[in-house]
Amino acid sequence: NAGVMQNPRHLVRRRGQEARLRCSPMKGHSHVYWYRQLPEEGLKFMVYLQKENIIDESGMPKERFSAEFPKEGPSILRIQQVVRGDSAAYFCASSPPDRITDTQYFGPGTRLTVL
Amino acid sequence: AQKVTQAQTEISVVEKEDVTLDCVYETRDTTYYLFWYKQPPSGELVFLIRRNSFDEQNEISGRYSWNFQKSTSSFNFTITASQVVDSAVYFCALSGRGNEKLTFGTGTRLTIIP
Repeated sequence: NAGVMQNPRHLVRRRGQEARLRCSPMKGHSHVYWYRQLPEEGLKFMVYLQKENIIDESGMPKERFSAEFPKEGPSILRIQQVVRGDSAAYFCASSPPDRITDTQYFGPGTRLTVL
Repeated sequence: AQKVTQAQTEISVVEKEDVTLDCVYETRDTTYYLFWYKQPPSGELVFLIRRNSFDEQNEISGRYSWNFQKSTSSFNFTITASQVVDSAVYFCALSGRGNEKLTFGTGTRLTIIP
């Protein structure tokens, strides 16, 4: 059973460009979460999605950031007009629909560097 | 609001020593879940354990053990007979009723000296 997949693993963008980060959850998982880890810090929650629905986006910056989890295909975290402060590791996690087993399993992360 | 405190920023021990990583949490939920994750130098996050608020039994898995005490809102993690491969950043995390966002502590960087 493949784990959570994220790509790209490393992404370099210049200021003002767009960054698209992709996450494919584990097979059978219908919940996706995005977290951001700034250098030397813990992970901070950004957004929680189910298929075609955003459930909780309380951790998302109000501007430039958006996320989706379409009916088909991976979840996408999109950052428009990136700035140096967006440089971080972005982790995706997934969990199954069964509320009894609530463990979130993480992907390997995407390291975004903004030049 | 939920909060997780890992007061130990960095710990270094000599190989084969035992080491305990502290985690203190705050939550108003009566049902909640506690987690430990390991982040080795390669950067991925590895799930170690999940414990729900109704289960205060201590757990042992090989060289790893966890002590959950609701009275002190702590969920500490002990590694016995530490090995160099245990070197990593360890995160304690907390979530609400389930399938909800995780609140992470700031992590403890553990270095095992050969």
